[in-house]
Amino acid sequence: KAGVTQTPRYLIKTRGQQVTLSCSPISGHRSVSWYQQTPGQGLQFLFEYFSETQRNKGNFPGRFSGRQFSNSRSEMNVSTLELGDSALYLCASSRDRAEETQYFGPGTRLLVL
Amino acid sequence: GDSVTQMEGPVTLSEEAFLTINCTYTATGYPSLFWYVQYPGEGLQLLLKATKADDKGSNKGFEATYRKETTSFHLEKGSVQVSDSAVYFCALIPNNNNDMRFGAGTRLTVKP
Repeated sequence: KAGVTQTPRYLIKTRGQQVTLSCSPISGHRSVSWYQQTPGQGLQFLFEYFSETQRNKGNFPGRFSGRQFSNSRSEMNVSTLELGDSALYLCASSRDRAEETQYFGPGTRLLVL
Repeated sequence: GDSVTQMEGPVTLSEEAFLTINCTYTATGYPSLFWYVQYPGEGLQLLLKATKADDKGSNKGFEATYRKETTSFHLEKGSVQVSDSAVYFCALIPNNNNDMRFGAGTRLTVKP
């Protein structure tokens, strides 16, 4: 069974631009969560989607948004990029919600110049 | 809120040494507990998990026991290898949502 895939793997943007990252979960998994990983803040939860609905949201500004499609694929969008948005963005999927093991993709490394 | 605290790194060991990475948690209710490992340039891989008190998770020679009385989930391995060099994250999922909380990570380097 294929794992979680994320595209693109690497991205370079400039301040003020916007970016869209994509995540395809493991087949049969309906929950997709997004995390931001930085050296300073570690791993921080962004949001979770389940059945096309955002179920949970972390403490990030409104510039960070996401959505989930009917096939469970998910995208996250960051508008008006700031230097501090440079990070590894990780997507994780799980079969269902609550206490389920999350399986992580390889991440998208975003560099904002 | 629910959180995880793990020992600060880095940890450097010689091959075949015994490994312990401490992890304690604060949570209401009964969270599920996890250890993930991250190799350079990669995402997180699930190493082991435990979903209730006294459960022992194990994988690839690593073990951790869910201790509710001490709110701990320490990671142990009897004999580390160079290939175990990575960053290890302790994490929990609260029992009411899918918002995984991670510790700061512990970098392990194993020298031959």
